[in-house]
Amino acid sequence: ETGVTQTPRHLVMGMTNKKSLKCEQHLGHNAMYWYKQSAKKPLELMFVYNFKEQTENNSVPSRFSPECPNSSHLFLHLHTLQPEDSALYLCASSQEGPGIEQYFGPGTRLTVT
Amino acid sequence: AQKVTQAQTEISVVEKEDVTLDCVYETRDTTYYLFWYKQPPSGELVFLIRRNSFDEQNEISGRYSWNFQKSTSSFNFTITASQVVDSAVYFCALSEAGNYGQNFVFGPGTRLSVLP
Repeated sequence: ETGVTQTPRHLVMGMTNKKSLKCEQHLGHNAMYWYKQSAKKPLELMFVYNFKEQTENNSVPSRFSPECPNSSHLFLHLHTLQPEDSALYLCASSQEGPGIEQYFGPGTRLTVT
Repeated sequence: AQKVTQAQTEISVVEKEDVTLDCVYETRDTTYYLFWYKQPPSGELVFLIRRNSFDEQNEISGRYSWNFQKSTSSFNFTITASQVVDSAVYFCALSEAGNYGQNFVFGPGTRLSVLP
């Protein structure tokens, strides 16, 4: 596999469910990111990890819980979501450092019913 | 605070026409970085170009060219002789050098439709 992969590609969950999104990068990068892309808002950065340490949390509700066990893997654990959380969730990776281009995965299309 | 504006929500052109996508940014930093990404229907954002604030040279890559002007805080993207495969949503993004410089702020995107 090459680049950044994400699973699942589509997910439908009820508000009481718990699910996880997975991201894996095969680029040798040491920074990973979660973004949310919803229909009516610009792409929003949610979390940043550098060398497995979280360095940015953009006021994301606690029902979203990230986990980065190593520099190649990133998870987003979801629980008690709301319908407004329905969106495309994109993972990205880059080398650590300012102004370095980020490489994105194909995203997980999440629908909360 | 950093901000990116892409005033054109949607543009339609006929194949082989040239098209320019506008991007205007706001930042208080003297060191910053600008990017363009393409998002085809498959959903994955594809990196196109990166520019830092100290390099105002325009760049050309095949049918793509970029015009960076600090005086007007703009970083516009031109596609020459457009093709149907250029149909996508295009995003301009900004990151400031402070605080790790990884906090990308994206514009709302411009949806480009190239008609055959």
